[in-house]
Amino acid sequence: QLVLTQSPSASASLGASVKLTCTLSSGHSSYAIAWHQQQPEKGPRYLMKLNSDGSHTKGDGIPDRFSGSSSGAERYLTISSLQSEDEADYYCQTWATGIRVFGGGTKLTVL
Amino acid sequence: QVQLVESGGGVVQPERSLRLSCAASGFTFSRYQMHWVRQAPGKGLEWVAVISYDGSSKYYADSVKGRVTISSDSSKSTLWLQMNSLRAEDTAVYYCARDRYGEPIDSWGQGILVTVSS
Repeated sequence: QLVLTQSPSASASLGASVKLTCTLSSGHSSYAIAWHQQQPEKGPRYLMKLNSDGSHTKGDGIPDRFSGSSSGAERYLTISSLQSEDEADYYCQTWATGIRVFGGGTKLTVL
Repeated sequence: QVQLVESGGGVVQPERSLRLSCAASGFTFSRYQMHWVRQAPGKGLEWVAVISYDGSSKYYADSVKGRVTISSDSSKSTLWLQMNSLRAEDTAVYYCARDRYGEPIDSWGQGILVTVSS
């Protein structure tokens, strides 16, 4: 079964960097994923597509502070030079024929 | 630019029906698969349904299978979600979204709230 696992919460200080993790279920380590950001009281926003080799393609207007990387079944979102507006929920998402799967989301707090 | 605008939400009694609409603009509707994704209050994102670019294939989450129907009209660049036999657990913000075959969701609507309550 295709499942994405995320830690429920993370925190980091203003101006620092943070690395969020999304783990693909067993047997699915070659899958690409996407990262989406959801700021408080807003709809989701597409950040990037992240492939198994770590290559990634960002959405329009996404700052260079956002980057992605991969290792095995783990997919990472790194946000550098944290700003207050980065405080949000971050969801990973993957896909197969006839199904889309979301991780449970990570709530990022900027201290 | 890409715009996805949902409408048709509101408060509805359990076991009643509701139809959501999503008006798309700024892109060629017929080249994209279209989705409904929902988010219950305080919860994460849950994929609901997808329709292929030509409307020939439709898939549903197990949680809604048999109770909802996704449809679209490319001539109107409009997506719909017909929801029947609504339950309290269907209460959520419903988002319209798009993707291309083999690619992730890359655009979202602003969402519309559906509240199922007596």
